[in-house]
Amino acid sequence: SAVISQKPSRDICQRGTSLTIQCQVDSQVTMMFWYRQQPGQSLTLIATANQGSEATYESGFVIDKFPISRPNLTFSTLTVSNMSPEDSSIYLCSETKEGYYGYTFGSGTRLTVV
Amino acid sequence: TQLLEQSPQFLSIQEGENLTVYCNSSSVFSSLQWYRQEPGEGPVLLVTVVTGGEVKKLKRLTFQFGDARKDSSLHITAAQPGDTGLYLCAGEWLQGAQKLVFGQGTRLTINP
Repeated sequence: SAVISQKPSRDICQRGTSLTIQCQVDSQVTMMFWYRQQPGQSLTLIATANQGSEATYESGFVIDKFPISRPNLTFSTLTVSNMSPEDSSIYLCSETKEGYYGYTFGSGTRLTVV
Repeated sequence: TQLLEQSPQFLSIQEGENLTVYCNSSSVFSSLQWYRQEPGEGPVLLVTVVTGGEVKKLKRLTFQFGDARKDSSLHITAAQPGDTGLYLCAGEWLQGAQKLVFGQGTRLTINP
């Protein structure tokens, strides 16, 4: 299975600022996704990162708040914009290949907004 | 509204006991996947079930997919302290926009 490198692993940010999280996969993949996980809770899908086009966002998530880029098959970024303490969470990227039924996840970025 | 209802959300049992975790939905999925997550790490895939009625075994873990492909269960036999962790079920859709959505998770503690 693919190996995902996600960085930063953690950060503490001031409210009102933005943070960009990077996700690098070691092989070409078909699908990349971004999830949010509140401490001790399950994962919520934020969006599907589409190569060369706008990401597809889930209900409750908007592009202005969580802009996503995917310039090629192996790299994606998620930006958390104009942060507030409510954005404190773990953000994870994920990948899968077409026809393969398993997903691989990065180790996550633990974000604290103060 | 949670698409996948996972239960129980917390479970603490003694070493050697058996347990079952349930994952139920009103939606039909292309596959149902089970993950385990350790602190500070992303979820790691345990198994994928695709066919209605399918049963898969992974050592002491038995996974079952419901006939209608709406529900699944994870059964652990003779639980060990090393089984402690967060277990997550996830349903995948392949038709249309492919994506994976998670249940609430079951935090399992096995006491020695």
